[in-house]
Amino acid sequence: SAVISQKPSRDICQRGTSLTIQCQVDSQVTMMFWYRQQPGQSLTLIATANQGSEATYESGFVIDKFPISRPNLTFSTLTVSNMSPEDSSIYLCSVIEGLSYEQYFGPGTRLTVT
Amino acid sequence: DQQVKQNSPSLSVQEGRISILNCDYTNSMFDYFLWYKKYPAEGPTFLISISSIKDKNEDGRFTVFLNKSAKHLSLHIVPSQPGDSAVYFCAAPSNSGNTPLVFGKGTRLSVIA
Repeated sequence: SAVISQKPSRDICQRGTSLTIQCQVDSQVTMMFWYRQQPGQSLTLIATANQGSEATYESGFVIDKFPISRPNLTFSTLTVSNMSPEDSSIYLCSVIEGLSYEQYFGPGTRLTVT
Repeated sequence: DQQVKQNSPSLSVQEGRISILNCDYTNSMFDYFLWYKKYPAEGPTFLISISSIKDKNEDGRFTVFLNKSAKHLSLHIVPSQPGDSAVYFCAAPSNSGNTPLVFGKGTRLSVIA
């Protein structure tokens, strides 16, 4: 299975600032996704990161707030812009290899906004 | 509207006993289901899955049962071990093919020694 790393692992940020989270995979993957897990909640899909084109966002998430890049088949970034305390969550990168239902997850980035 | 529901936020079981985690779904088009386990400060890890053409899939101490008519599945862990203490998520692909998973809210399992 793919090995996924994320940077940073955690951060504490001030309201109004932005943070970029990096996701690196050790192999080329078909699909890459970004999820958010707010305290006590489920994993919520933010967007599908498309290689070489704009990400596909889920309802309730917009590009201005969560810009995503995917320059190649092994790397993606998610930026959380103009942060507020409500953005405090764990952000998770996830991938699918080949033609499979199984998704593999990175270790997550724990973000606290003060 | 949640398509995958886990109505028990927590479960406590004694070591050696059976743990049963439940999951209900609303979308009858779902044809594949997965269970993930999540430890604190780690990402979810895939545990076991089942296709809708089966009603049972077993892997060691873990068995998943699927009741399509009731739109219900369950994960059985026997015997339960303290290392099984984690949050367990039920999930299903949102559509056919390489589509992202939709998750339940999770059930926190505590196995007491």
